[in-house]
Amino acid sequence: DAKTTQPNSMESNEEEPVHLPCNHSTISGTDYIHWYRQLPSQGPEYVIHGLTSNVNNRMASLAIAEDRKSSTLILHRATLRDAAVYYCIPPGPISLTWGAGNNRKLIWGLGTSLGVNP
Amino acid sequence: DTAVSQTPKYLVTQMGNDKSIKCEQNLGHDTMYWYKQDSKKFLKIMFSYNNKELIINETVPNRFSPKSPDKAHLNLHINSLELGDSAVYFCASSLRTLTDTQYFGPGTRLTVL
Repeated sequence: DAKTTQPNSMESNEEEPVHLPCNHSTISGTDYIHWYRQLPSQGPEYVIHGLTSNVNNRMASLAIAEDRKSSTLILHRATLRDAAVYYCIPPGPISLTWGAGNNRKLIWGLGTSLGVNP
Repeated sequence: DTAVSQTPKYLVTQMGNDKSIKCEQNLGHDTMYWYKQDSKKFLKIMFSYNNKELIINETVPNRFSPKSPDKAHLNLHINSLELGDSAVYFCASSLRTLTDTQYFGPGTRLTVL
């Protein structure tokens, strides 16, 4: 089973960088690492993804460890609008498991709830 | 220009009723999903369709029946609603597979009284 862990919650101050960690020690070699976030009362939205190399986009940066067993989502300057729950996929802390006939079961974990202080 | 849309946004109904939630995506994606987010905030996949074909069917009561008239639409019909069905239901789509980036709709908050 693939297992990932994320801190339940983190706090940041506005305009400061935020580093959100995720451990995915049993990730498969071909699995992309996706990050999503869910703002209050909204659906999850895509933030960034990567396979092996670090990635940057207009929302965030993704730093992937060389052994791919962990990754860090970096928000360079947190704003109040960044307060959300951040999910690292493969999900954690609940396992992503393979069912019969290549049928993957997917339950997202609880993610990291990021609070941003003004 | 909404990529993934769902209707209705809110649904309040009595136990035992039958209701439907509709979902449409204009991204040209092949695969669509229904997720349920319960009060504890776990997001669980219920169904997935690829090109109108059911490919993921999690352990969901058979009172829940998805229908995909074409690859841009995936509707969810729920018979004999129960209190435990109260949750937020999200539709999502991805280009081809579960491991591709998923795009979510705004959610439908279902309350069963």
